[in-house]
Amino acid sequence: GAGVSQTPSNKVTEKGKYVELRCDPISGHTALYWYRQSLGQGPEFLIYFQGTGAADDSGLPNDRFFAVRPEGSVSTLKIQRTERGDSAVYLCASSLGLGPPTDTQYFGPGTRLTVL
Amino acid sequence: SQQGEEDPQALSIQEGENATMNCSYKTSINNLQWYRQNSGRGLVHLILIRSNEREKHSGRLRVTLDTSKKSSSLLITASRAADTASYFCAILNAGKSTFGDGTTLTVKP
Repeated sequence: GAGVSQTPSNKVTEKGKYVELRCDPISGHTALYWYRQSLGQGPEFLIYFQGTGAADDSGLPNDRFFAVRPEGSVSTLKIQRTERGDSAVYLCASSLGLGPPTDTQYFGPGTRLTVL
Repeated sequence: SQQGEEDPQALSIQEGENATMNCSYKTSINNLQWYRQNSGRGLVHLILIRSNEREKHSGRLRVTLDTSKKSSSLLITASRAADTASYFCAILNAGKSTFGDGTTLTVKP
């Protein structure tokens, strides 16, 4: 079946602009996660949703970052007033549920964001 | 921090040899996962091992977990050039995964 998809695959923007990154989870997966990965480092947790609600947003770096999942499926990560330090690969993952054995997270290919 | 830390940072071996990567963490865990990543994109889930398990196998992969030492290892047997990638361990607790910075494995043909 189809895996997690993310669009766009690449996004180049200018400092100060607003960007939206989209994630389509695996059909039927109730949990959705956003991570950010900088070059040479492991992914860093940002936020995760269970259904439509953000269950844990402790990883969002500041209030320029916001994510929504209005219908419990597709999610959008929104970044306002982008800064050069926001440049990274943004990864989305989904899992069937939160408890064993449904908690395995499956990742999408990522969106590479470059802020000039 | 519950961050998994992989060791070594980089590993270079010949095709056919075995590769062993280690992961250490600091606090108690529910489970630990290993992922592979090629060219900085798209993590591929390899194996999830739970805190009450000691060893799991999947094809040429073998993962062990020692909760008393707070460590896990990933063994790839009979390596192939296609195994060249970065490998990450991730601690999964309460819905979020905390990753280390990975081991970069190079398998020379």
